[in-house]
Amino acid sequence: KAGVTQTPRYLIKTRGQQVTLSCSPISGHRSVSWYQQTPGQGLQFLFEYFSETQRNKGNFPGRFSGRQFSNSRSEMNVSTLELGDSALYLCASSPSHTLNTEAFFGQGTRLTVV
Amino acid sequence: AQSVTQPDIHITVSEGASLELRCNYSYGATPYLFWYVQSPGQGLQLLLKYFSGDTLVQGIKGFEAEFKRSQSSFNLRKPSVHWSDAAEYFCAVGARGGSYIPTFGRGTSLIVHP
Repeated sequence: KAGVTQTPRYLIKTRGQQVTLSCSPISGHRSVSWYQQTPGQGLQFLFEYFSETQRNKGNFPGRFSGRQFSNSRSEMNVSTLELGDSALYLCASSPSHTLNTEAFFGQGTRLTVV
Repeated sequence: AQSVTQPDIHITVSEGASLELRCNYSYGATPYLFWYVQSPGQGLQLLLKYFSGDTLVQGIKGFEAEFKRSQSSFNLRKPSVHWSDAAEYFCAVGARGGSYIPTFGRGTSLIVHP
């Protein structure tokens, strides 16, 4: 069974641009969550989608948005990029309708904003 | 809201020595507890989880953790560390029931000396 796939693995963007990251969950998993990981803040929850609906949202500005498609694939978008958005963005999928089960993580997308 | 504290930012051990990584949580009831490992440039891999039942939990790669309600702790242990165990370790806590926003600790970096 293929794992969680995130594309691209690395990305360099300029301040002010926007970026879209993609996550393909494990087949059959309907819950997808996104995290931002930085050395200063650690792992912070961005949002979680289940069956194309956003169920939970972390404390991030509206520049961060996401969506989930009918095949459970998910994308997150960051508009008007800031230097502080440089981070490793991790996607995790779960087979359950709640997050209270094991989450499987992708390898992440390393975003660098210059 | 729940919180997680990993008191040790870095831990250095010699190969073959025993290991204990500390994790303390704050939550009003019995939480779900997880330990994840992250190798450089990789996503997070679940080592073990506690939901209920036996408070001593066995995980992959020879790791175990013990849930101690009285101490609000969920420390990770391994009797003999291998050089390949060098990585970042994250403790995470989740609330029971329904969707929730999981909380991760800041992580403990394990350095293994030959």
